[in-house]
Amino acid sequence: DQQVKQNSPSLSVQEGRISILNCDYTNSMFDYFLWYKKYPAEGPTFLISISSIKDKNEDGRFTVFLNKSAKHLSLHIVPSQPGDSAVYFCAAAIQGAQKLVFGQGTRLTINP
Amino acid sequence: GAVVSQHPSWVICKSGTSVKIECRSLDFQATTMFWYRQFPKQSLMLMATSNEGSKATYEQGVEKDKFLINHASLTLSTLTVTSAHPEDSSFYICSAPIRGRGFEDTQYFGPGTRLTVL
Repeated sequence: DQQVKQNSPSLSVQEGRISILNCDYTNSMFDYFLWYKKYPAEGPTFLISISSIKDKNEDGRFTVFLNKSAKHLSLHIVPSQPGDSAVYFCAAAIQGAQKLVFGQGTRLTINP
Repeated sequence: GAVVSQHPSWVICKSGTSVKIECRSLDFQATTMFWYRQFPKQSLMLMATSNEGSKATYEQGVEKDKFLINHASLTLSTLTVTSAHPEDSSFYICSAPIRGRGFEDTQYFGPGTRLTVL
């Protein structure tokens, strides 16, 4: 039972353009969502998070949008840079529980 | 800079031996830490929750007698893979939560440990 899904295993974007990574969840109890960036053989690096009381959170080039009714969130990266090439995981949690449920990841490749 | 460290970063061992992996929180105390496992091209799967001063909580399907967890102090949790077999070869990652200003917890991850069992 995959509670958090990233249906696109890979995404290729031109440098300077916008990258949009999507994530869907099924458990309506989730109320806190995070995005992580991961390189091979390294631990995930925290990027940005959003609480269910918000529908948007912005941090520099990264913006996360949350659509609770659709149980969908997305990460926008603009402008995309070559250093953004990595695997991106979305994760969900129930506040206080601290345990994270991860999606399968999306490999983002930024082309020069 | 890194807030969670792991040691070793990689280890190769023979089948049947035990391997200990350390996870340390740097400059902060963590009463709870989490251990994840990632197989190639798969997602991170939570194995267990490490609790300082009490027993670890294991996720369904994870053998507690095989994956021993000890949370010896507020900055150290260890995972011991006992009687390791080739199917235990994986990337093991720990995390620790830091509470934000909005009282939400953000998990910060260690760099991971690559275990290869021959």
